[in-house]
Amino acid sequence: GAGVSQSPRYKVAKRGQDVALRCDPISGHVSLFWYQQALGQGPEFLTYFQNEAQLDKSGLPSDRFFAERPEGSVSTLKIQRTQQEDSAVYLCASSLITTDPLDTQYFGPGTRLTVL
Amino acid sequence: QKEVEQDPGPLSVPEGAIVSLNCTYSNSAFQYFMWYRQYSRKGPELLMYTYSSGNKEDGRFTAQVDKSSKYISLFIRDSQPSDSATYLCASEGDTGFQKLVFGTGTRLLVSP
Repeated sequence: GAGVSQSPRYKVAKRGQDVALRCDPISGHVSLFWYQQALGQGPEFLTYFQNEAQLDKSGLPSDRFFAERPEGSVSTLKIQRTQQEDSAVYLCASSLITTDPLDTQYFGPGTRLTVL
Repeated sequence: QKEVEQDPGPLSVPEGAIVSLNCTYSNSAFQYFMWYRQYSRKGPELLMYTYSSGNKEDGRFTAQVDKSSKYISLFIRDSQPSDSATYLCASEGDTGFQKLVFGTGTRLLVSP
């Protein structure tokens, strides 16, 4: 595709609801990343996939957060029992090559999650 | 303490001004430094990267790294209203390029 796409762009959830956020990376990109960006802050790393393998999930804030990329392309970030502190923009990024230090991460527009 | 620190601004300048955006970092092992630009309600986009110390120029933009003082700068010459955005500095995390570490971002406003 032309770029990384994310859906929905906006999501409002009541506290306690489960949400699922989708990321479509650039076609052929091996690596996929999820970041969380709170209001007025920079993005913070959540998790990283190389193809379908989740190689790093050290940034996931709690066991309520779960990410998958079952076929090595589309990824879903799921948040169970949402809390108000989960309100943020969730950014997805993809890159072509995993080991090249000059590899660029291309970001999607993000999903803005508001938990009431 | 965050590994990459950045003044959040906002920084307001008139069109045509030279803009200086700055970051400091704490991890001396960091070697690659990036500047991303983020427009409102958009994802960050890579502007430029530098390796270790030194300067790199790309059109109106110059990135500078001083590893001795752990200081990163981005200079924008002849600033334009279209440069109004949030500028994020970043570096690789402690596991390599898979985990970027970002500053908080500096919001820049260029008035016509």
